[in-house]
Amino acid sequence: GNSVTQMEGPVTLSEEAFLTINCTYTATGYPSLFWYVQYPGEGLQLLLKATKADDKGSNKGFEATYRKETTSFHLEKGSVQVSDSAVYFCALSPPRGSNYKLTFGKGTLLTVNP
Amino acid sequence: DSGVTQTPKHLITATGQRVTLRCSPRSGDLSVYWYQQSLDQGLQFLIQYYNGEERAKGNILERFSAQQFPDLHSELNLSSLELGDSALYFCASSHRETGELFFGEGSRLTVL
Repeated sequence: GNSVTQMEGPVTLSEEAFLTINCTYTATGYPSLFWYVQYPGEGLQLLLKATKADDKGSNKGFEATYRKETTSFHLEKGSVQVSDSAVYFCALSPPRGSNYKLTFGKGTLLTVNP
Repeated sequence: DSGVTQTPKHLITATGQRVTLRCSPRSGDLSVYWYQQSLDQGLQFLIQYYNGEERAKGNILERFSAQQFPDLHSELNLSSLELGDSALYFCASSHRETGELFFGEGSRLTVL
């Protein structure tokens, strides 16, 4: 079945540091890949997505590239801010035409200190 | 604001009881998904409805059931509650064309 493995946190960084959160997946075919973010006390919000190999998703300074050869979708940001403190979830959904049922990783808590 | 509304936001109840969680999807979205978020299991897909019909089932216990009504709102019923059912329950609806999921803020259930 489908699965997502992401690096365990928590991750603590200083403001303006470089961020990488690793994510690898197991799936048949060509799934779509997502990063969701959950700020304290809120629901999940889509951060970025990629729907085919070599696509790069980007939003709010975050980037992730769909790497089919390494089955990875690592999240990166060049300079984090205190406001980026949140839990980040990597997720996949089966190829379009399915039910968009997402399989999530366990989440990585990021804390950014001033 | 995602446009997905969940009630109640917080619920405290005792073991053996039954509760109902309610979700209103974004206007125009036909699909509703339920997820359970707990510390040990992470985010688990429970069930999906599309336009009133069950479309997909995940790790949903037999003590739990759901339905989607003609006005497209959905309810998740949790019965014979156990301590381990304490979790955050999220509802999401999906955009009709892109499939992007929009999540509500969740209902936090505490079973004492």
